[in-house]
Amino acid sequence: EVQLVESGGGLVRPGGSLRLSCTASEFTVSDNFMTWVRQAPGKGLEWVSVIYSIGTTYYPDSVKGRFTISRDNSKNTLYLQMNSLRAEDTAIYYCARDSFTGGIDYWGQGTLVTVSS
Amino acid sequence: QLVLTQSPSASASLGASVKLTCTLSSGHSNYAITWHQQQPEKGPRYLMKVNSDGSHSKGDGIPDRFSGSSSGTERYLIISSLQSEDEGDYYCQTWGTAIRVFGGGTKLTVL
Repeated sequence: EVQLVESGGGLVRPGGSLRLSCTASEFTVSDNFMTWVRQAPGKGLEWVSVIYSIGTTYYPDSVKGRFTISRDNSKNTLYLQMNSLRAEDTAIYYCARDSFTGGIDYWGQGTLVTVSS
Repeated sequence: QLVLTQSPSASASLGASVKLTCTLSSGHSNYAITWHQQQPEKGPRYLMKVNSDGSHSKGDGIPDRFSGSSSGTERYLIISSLQSEDEGDYYCQTWGTAIRVFGGGTKLTVL
């Protein structure tokens, strides 16, 4: 059974950094397009980043230059390095897998990031 | 610009059917979308992919009560024989080379 398990969330002060991890089971992260999505309290889903199987990465303007998506093939794990964190980055962060035909087809359970002084 | 538009809310009675709509921005009528369900206090769950020709493919374990269709720039999620556990938020999602897009979500209330 395909599984995605996020970790690394927590409380961080504005301007601080945090690295989220997402460990995958029953499929190979590097063979797929992998996505990070976040959900602020009481709000909808917001795309945060994507990494393609060839390693190309993309970000929305809201996190570009502050967040970095990467993967460790030996650990079958996806990462999200978040720097210069702001209060508006407070959210549950989900990792997700894109299907080979496009669109997200599996989600992790999420990890909460709170940015507050 | 690639945008998805959803009505903020919908409601239907227990046992009835409901049709949720996700509208693609002009010029994107050939795009497929995916539907995702988020029950209260839970993470999202993939339901299905709906193609521009109306064909759809569902995720593992998704009941037959859930189906999809398409017309022009509109993509639909149809839920029949509504059950109490169908209450929650429903999001559509699409993608381009350098972008992923979510609709604002529809909150479904089962009366």
